[in-house]
Amino acid sequence: AQSVTQPDIHITVSEGASLELRCNYSYGATPYLFWYVQSPGQGLQLLLKYFSGDTLVQGIKGFEAEFKRSQSSFNLRKPSVHWSDAAEYFCAVGAVSNDMRFGAGTRLTVKP
Amino acid sequence: EAGVAQSPRYKIIEKRQSVAFWCNPISGHATLYWYQQILGQGPKLLIQFQNNGVVDDSQLPKDRFSAERLKGVDSTLKIQPAKLEDSAVYLCASSLVGTAHNEQFFGPGTRLTVL
Repeated sequence: AQSVTQPDIHITVSEGASLELRCNYSYGATPYLFWYVQSPGQGLQLLLKYFSGDTLVQGIKGFEAEFKRSQSSFNLRKPSVHWSDAAEYFCAVGAVSNDMRFGAGTRLTVKP
Repeated sequence: EAGVAQSPRYKIIEKRQSVAFWCNPISGHATLYWYQQILGQGPKLLIQFQNNGVVDDSQLPKDRFSAERLKGVDSTLKIQPAKLEDSAVYLCASSLVGTAHNEQFFGPGTRLTVL
């Protein structure tokens, strides 16, 4: 079965600085990869997804992610972080049947 | 467009008591999911419905958890009896169909505390 590792439990960045959240997956076939964001007391919101094609994926709120098959990674990036980006970020890997497996999440704190 | 609705938002019970959660998916969404999110972990799928049929319940602890979606719309998740380790946020999600290409939309969740 597929699995996801998010190595960083908590990251702190200054407002305006760049951001990269790491995600490594394990799956025998071509994966379906997702990044979700969860604000306190809210459900998860999809930021972006990768199924096939261009390995650099653009999402909402200025986020992008790059799929690197050789490294089994799908890292999330943003060039300039805003205070409103403070939240919990989850990487997920899915199969065709939509059996998604989530990572444990990375909590992002934004310093003023 | 209305999102996924869940109630209650918070629930506190004693161990061995019973509890039920309700979910109303986005109109027209055939697939409904229940996830359990324990503090410090990512969501874990408990059960997936396609209309009113179960597609996947392999991770549902069936000795105490049950779920139904009788008319293919609303769904109820029940825990009977609850244990301390059931303390978690229970998330409901829905999608048009149950394939990875279709985005899952999540509700705000029900936070359960078992004392």
